[in-house]
Amino acid sequence: DQQVKQNSPSLSVQEGRISILNCDYTNSMFDYFLWYKKYPAEGPTFLISISSIKDKNEDGRFTVFLNKSAKHLSLHIVPSQPGDSAVYFCAALLYSNYQLIWGAGTKLIIKP
Amino acid sequence: KAGVTQTPRYLIKTRGQQVTLSCSPISGHRSVSWYQQTPGQGLQFLFEYFSETQRNKGNFPGRFSGRQFSNSRSEMNVSTLELGDSALYLCASSLAQGYNNEQFFGPGTRLTVL
Repeated sequence: DQQVKQNSPSLSVQEGRISILNCDYTNSMFDYFLWYKKYPAEGPTFLISISSIKDKNEDGRFTVFLNKSAKHLSLHIVPSQPGDSAVYFCAALLYSNYQLIWGAGTKLIIKP
Repeated sequence: KAGVTQTPRYLIKTRGQQVTLSCSPISGHRSVSWYQQTPGQGLQFLFEYFSETQRNKGNFPGRFSGRQFSNSRSEMNVSTLELGDSALYLCASSLAQGYNNEQFFGPGTRLTVL
């Protein structure tokens, strides 16, 4: 049973447009959510996070939105750049056991 | 500061064999976590070590084990390899336990079981 789901295996977006990556979760007790970005042959790198007590966190071109009632979060990238082409992982954390639960990832392709 | 290193980068084994993977965390980091990545499954948490003690364990069979040394370096062992163990194994380190401490990942070890 996957507690964190990224239902889109891939997403293709035109350069300069907005990329929206989605993540759904089932456990309302998650305390913290993180997004990681992964290039081929490299380990994931931390991108942005959000606490469960907030509904938005912004860092430059990256904004994460959290809708707790819908158990849904999304990562917005504006404007999308070719270097954003990567696999994006959503992860959720329970403070009680400090275990990160990961989604399956979404491959983002930015078209020139 | 050097990043997280993992050795070897690539490994080919046959069913029934065992394998040991190594991870050297960033200097000063005391927490090391291991993950398995397979296509379509995302990152599956294996276990976390902090100060030589296993603090968390994921839902993997006992064939998967690990340890951490006093210098925070960690090893992961898989015995009696199965075809389904073919995956990218990632190690991540952080300053302390807890993931609001940013995790830094190594490049991974690509294990192929034939």
